[in-house]
Amino acid sequence: GAVVSQHPSWVICKSGTSVKIECRSLDFQATTMFWYRQFPKQSLMLMATSNEGSKATYEQGVEKDKFLINHASLTLSTLTVTSAHPEDSSFYICSAEGSSGGSSSYNEQFFGPGTRLTVL
Amino acid sequence: GQNIDQPTEMTATEGAIVQINCTYQTSGFNGLFWYQQHAGEAPTFLSYNVLDGLEEKGRFSSFLSRSKGYSYLLLKELQMKDSASYLCAVMDSNYQLIWGAGTKLIIKP
Repeated sequence: GAVVSQHPSWVICKSGTSVKIECRSLDFQATTMFWYRQFPKQSLMLMATSNEGSKATYEQGVEKDKFLINHASLTLSTLTVTSAHPEDSSFYICSAEGSSGGSSSYNEQFFGPGTRLTVL
Repeated sequence: GQNIDQPTEMTATEGAIVQINCTYQTSGFNGLFWYQQHAGEAPTFLSYNVLDGLEEKGRFSSFLSRSKGYSYLLLKELQMKDSASYLCAVMDSNYQLIWGAGTKLIIKP
């Protein structure tokens, strides 16, 4: 099956610093990647949709200048949390869109393992 | 607006059967997904339904009724490792996934 990796798995940083999270599709090319944030005991919240070679589309309420997304290649998208604050502490998950294959193929999202960010 | 409803929490006994329901109201429909998510981990894909009916995959089955805006995930022969959150998500007319809040399933011995 399709594999998506994320790095780092977890990160602890001081308030005011910037943190970069990488999302890679290891065995397929993903023209579209998604970034989600999940707070404890809550569902996934879509932050932005990232298309290779173009600007990301941000969901309402997500600051594009704070959460910088770069999708420079078909296998890599990065999310940079700039000037992180304690309220940015969360579980960040990326997914890459790919075909499920087979006779009834559909676009499926393959999730990375997530990155737990703690801002002190 | 777009809305996905599923129970917040359910409890079941090891070896038993449990059905997790999901109702949805979305702008368009391009399929319904069920994901399993263990605490602290990313979701993993369980099933996809785009046509009415039942899709069976081992111990897990998923049912869809588009006319009723309704789906359920059926888990048989429950095992302790099935304790997790189960997320229902619908792909709308823009091919965007709309997520439910998830159902936390607690399995008791």
